[in-house]
Amino acid sequence: DAKTTQPTSMDCAEGRAANLPCNHSTISGNEYVYWYRQIHSQGPQYIIHGLKNNETNEMASLIITEDRKSSTLILPHATLRDTAVYYCIVRVAIRYSTLTFGKGTMLLVSP
Amino acid sequence: EAGVTQFPSHSVIEKGQTVTLRCDPISGHDNLYWYRRVMGKEIKFLLHFVKESKQDESGMPNNRFLAERTGGTYSTLKVQPAELEDSGVYFCASSPAKTGTDTQYFGPGTRLTVL
Repeated sequence: DAKTTQPTSMDCAEGRAANLPCNHSTISGNEYVYWYRQIHSQGPQYIIHGLKNNETNEMASLIITEDRKSSTLILPHATLRDTAVYYCIVRVAIRYSTLTFGKGTMLLVSP
Repeated sequence: EAGVTQFPSHSVIEKGQTVTLRCDPISGHDNLYWYRRVMGKEIKFLLHFVKESKQDESGMPNNRFLAERTGGTYSTLKVQPAELEDSGVYFCASSPAKTGTDTQYFGPGTRLTVL
């Protein structure tokens, strides 16, 4: 699986949009971009995933650049409960592929 | 729909003892995964079941770890004998589909402390 690079930490004010970047310059054509987050003492929580088109769900939006070498996870109105470590994971789209977690980005949402 | 459940939530044992962790996947999910995070490290894959069969156990650290999924429902992960370096949080995840892009849903984890 392609390697990802994320900032170690980010801050965001409550109510503002949180934009979390991820670089995956070696991504292959058959690899998806997944985002998970881990709130303190909980298991990883799935957020969203995409291949090349932008995606949106009730939790977040995923913007993937046209060359697919980077992406941004957007939490449109961050709340204190969004404070967590966010993981950007590139996962090959074959039958039975596992998740490779990196260090992620620690997002701190402040009042 | 109930999520992935894990038992116990915490376990404290002494070095050399045996511990068994249990995972109940989401009902109907054929795929079951075990991961773990040891102190200061990243979350690492351990193994993957498809129903009752081990599809991939490349992440199992050594033969002190034994995973089973009899009947293709719940799974157990036994550590025998436990060592200090086995301390960490063990996560279970499940997914429904038979393709590589299905989403994995994680349980809350079992925190294992070996003294």
